[in-house]
Order: sequence, then C-alpha cells, then structure tokens
Amino acid sequence: GAVVSQHPSRVICKSGTSVKIECRSLDFQATTMFWYRQFPKQSLMLMATSNEGSKATYEQGVEKDKFLINHASLTLSTLTVTSAHPEDSSFYICSAITGVLRGYTFGSGTRLTVV
Amino acid sequence: QKEVEQNSGPLSVPEGAIASLNCTYSDRGSQSFFWYRQYSGKSPELIMFIYSNGDKEDGRFTAQLNKASQYVSLLIRDSQPSDSATYLCAVNTPKAAGNKLTFGGGTRVLVKP
Repeated sequence: GAVVSQHPSRVICKSGTSVKIECRSLDFQATTMFWYRQFPKQSLMLMATSNEGSKATYEQGVEKDKFLINHASLTLSTLTVTSAHPEDSSFYICSAITGVLRGYTFGSGTRLTVV
Repeated sequence: QKEVEQNSGPLSVPEGAIASLNCTYSDRGSQSFFWYRQYSGKSPELIMFIYSNGDKEDGRFTAQLNKASQYVSLLIRDSQPSDSATYLCAVNTPKAAGNKLTFGGGTRVLVKP
C-alpha cells in the first residue's frame, strides 16, 4: 500500500534556530500533501496544504513566514519551522491523498522540542 | 456547530465487549467517510472507509453509514486492550478545496482487561 515517509521522527533544537521536516511519498506521486500540528491530548490541526509546483495554502492563523512549505517534486514536501520558539514544540504530521475514497495516508510524525 | 462531531470520551469498555463510536457531520454533500485510529504519540492510521449507506465489515470492525441522518459509526467487536486509542472520524466533502478531509475531535477508547 501507499507509504508516506517522514523524517526526522524526533528533533530537539535551540530557540531561534530553524528545523526542516521532510515528507516523502515512497511508491506514489502526491500532488497534494497536508501538514498538521497536534498538541498533547488535542486533535489534529491542519496547518497548510502543500501543492506541487505552487505556493502552499495556509489555514487561518498559521504564519506562512514562520512555517515555510516547499513542494518541489511529486514525492517530496518539506516544512521548515523558522526561528523556532518553545511554543512551537509539538507533534507535526504530514499526509498525502492516496485516492479520494481511500482518504489520507499519514507520515509517522515528527516530535519537535524547542529548548 | 462543528462540521464533524464526536464524543471525546473516554469510552470505557471491558475486554471482549463491543465498543460503539459515533460521528455526526453537518454537510449533506459529504460523500466519503473514514475512521482512523491514533495511539498516543503516534500518527493516525486508517482503519476503514465507507461511502454507501449501510454496513461495511472488516474483521472486528464494522462501519455504518446513514446519510439521511448524517451519522457514521464504528463498532469494534471483541474489544482488546490493544484497541485502546483515540479514534478519529474524517469526512470528505467535494466542495472542500483541495480534497481536504475534515476531522472530528476524536473519541478516546479505553479497553479494560
């Protein structure tokens, strides 16, 4: 079945630095990927929709200059958290559509801790 | 009114019993419906999808869809402690831009031995 690979699974960074998270579709082409953030014991929150070859679409309240999304190929989308702060510490998850009726396949997630 | 609503739980069921989870949605144009399971600290994994009224069975799981009443449910038979997780209902609405799924807040299930 369709596999979405996400790296790194866990990262600790210092406040003020930037962190890049990669999301790859391994055996299919993903023209659209989605980035979510999830705080402890809360539901998934959609941050942005990543479209191959075009600008990402951000949800209301998500700073596009802080969360940079690049979808340069049909198999790779990246999320860069710039100038990270402790409040950015969260679980970040990417997903890709694997056929309308099959819904999304999710990456394994990235646990970001900003110290 | 939220677009997709679920009881947050926790839903506590004894081992071997049936766990029944419900989800209601607001958009009558919704066409496909998904149930995901998410263990603590992990990303969601797809359990089942359904798009026709009625029941769909897969192993110990049965999804039920009633478009007239705008609800979709998930039954877990012979519940096991390993079924303890948060179950997310997701809905695909054609008019949603970019084929976005809309997720409910999730129902936490606890299966007690």
